[in-house]
Amino acid sequence: GQQLNQSPQSMFIQEGEDVSMNCTSSSIFNTWLWYKQDPGEGPVLLIALYKAGELTSNGRLTAQFGITRKDSFLNISASIPSDVGIYFCAGQLYGGSQGNLIFGKGTKLSVKP
Amino acid sequence: DAGVTQSPTHLIKTRGQQVTLRCSPKSGHDTVSWYQQALGQGPQFIFQYYEEEERQRGNFPDRFSGHQFPNYSSELNVNALWLGDSALYLCASSSGGFYSGANVLTFGAGSRLTVL
Repeated sequence: GQQLNQSPQSMFIQEGEDVSMNCTSSSIFNTWLWYKQDPGEGPVLLIALYKAGELTSNGRLTAQFGITRKDSFLNISASIPSDVGIYFCAGQLYGGSQGNLIFGKGTKLSVKP
Repeated sequence: DAGVTQSPTHLIKTRGQQVTLRCSPKSGHDTVSWYQQALGQGPQFIFQYYEEEERQRGNFPDRFSGHQFPNYSSELNVNALWLGDSALYLCASSSGGFYSGANVLTFGAGSRLTVL
């Protein structure tokens, strides 16, 4: 099935560091979403983006909807231990059902040893 | 207010068997979508049910079927299980059917299926 290109695949963070991850696609999306999934849980929505160029914040998280409608990024500022987990981007294709989201493979955030 | 509840949480089956997974949507939601999440992958859309009918389907074979009941709860059935069907199956609920905003999708914790 179709998936978004999400990078990096994994990264290690030290408390206080800023984190960036992004998602690209060959298709145009009318909605971009960022989710976090903890072990044993379903994905939880962090940020939703609806317009090209839109920049939205949720606490220490900031995400942008790319101008081309084919990409998005998520930044986490001043990371804390509870930021550890797997982050997924997801997109809703233009004209698609809100229940039919296309997901990236995820970015796994771990704490630096 | 209960969110999306799924059962069972874990189950083990053997190849060729059939499985039924259940989902109760969040209170106030009337639309249910099912996703398959293989290990190390993002969720993949299986299908969506609204008003007791399958409204949209992803790239999954006919072995995957579903049902929605009048109380909006839903079942996912998988026949003739393959090893490759081992995955976390997520149910997500929302309201308003096909054209509601994507931000109202609420996921359950999933049912972990292992096929031996």
